[in-house]
Amino acid sequence: DTGVSQDPRHKITKRGQNVTFRCDPISEHNRLYWYRQTLGQGPEFLTYFQNEAQLEKSRLLSDRFSAERPKGSFSTLEIQRTEQGDSAMYLCASTPTGRYLVSGYTFGSGTRLTVV
Amino acid sequence: GESVGLHLPTLSVQEGDNSIINCAYSNSASDYFIWYKQESGKGPQFIIDIRSNMDKRQGQRVTVLLNKTVKHLSLQIAATQPGDSAVYFCAENARNDYKLSFGAGTTVTVRA
Repeated sequence: DTGVSQDPRHKITKRGQNVTFRCDPISEHNRLYWYRQTLGQGPEFLTYFQNEAQLEKSRLLSDRFSAERPKGSFSTLEIQRTEQGDSAMYLCASTPTGRYLVSGYTFGSGTRLTVV
Repeated sequence: GESVGLHLPTLSVQEGDNSIINCAYSNSASDYFIWYKQESGKGPQFIIDIRSNMDKRQGQRVTVLLNKTVKHLSLQIAATQPGDSAVYFCAENARNDYKLSFGAGTTVTVRA
């Protein structure tokens, strides 16, 4: 296990369709985060899990978005009724427990969503 | 070397010169800071971090400086190489918080 894996890398969908992304964190990391990044901007926090518990959600996460981490390992992010404004890179990151993150978050390569 | 006093979205630097990338943060509660490098189509990659009890930290070819008085962070890259071409982000983390807040990125282009 060499890093955070995200699948798919790219997704093109029609407006109104539902999409689901998957993130596999580093196996010993119990914290998992989802971020969204639009072109030219820094990543913006969406939500955070500690093990299977979703502990915080950003106001960016509208009711069309839902994230799960059912067994405290991989996580899914689902967007229902996609809109063109959802087009972005969705990044997943994981960290071990600890106040000071030894090497910061470890990010995956992201899923690039394009809503047409 | 090339440097900017304020945050600029782009920085063009001659190969071999030193680069300085600046970042301002706003949250007084932030006490941990990280610089990330992001190449096209990839996720952010950790470069170096610094805690608020330090003013300076050095890594391999990189140095981070923290000025808490003016809430300013900088990343210095020595002897910039073509592989350093990327977007660089600073990120801050506040005590009792788990999420990172990212600043506006700086696109560094290295000229041969």
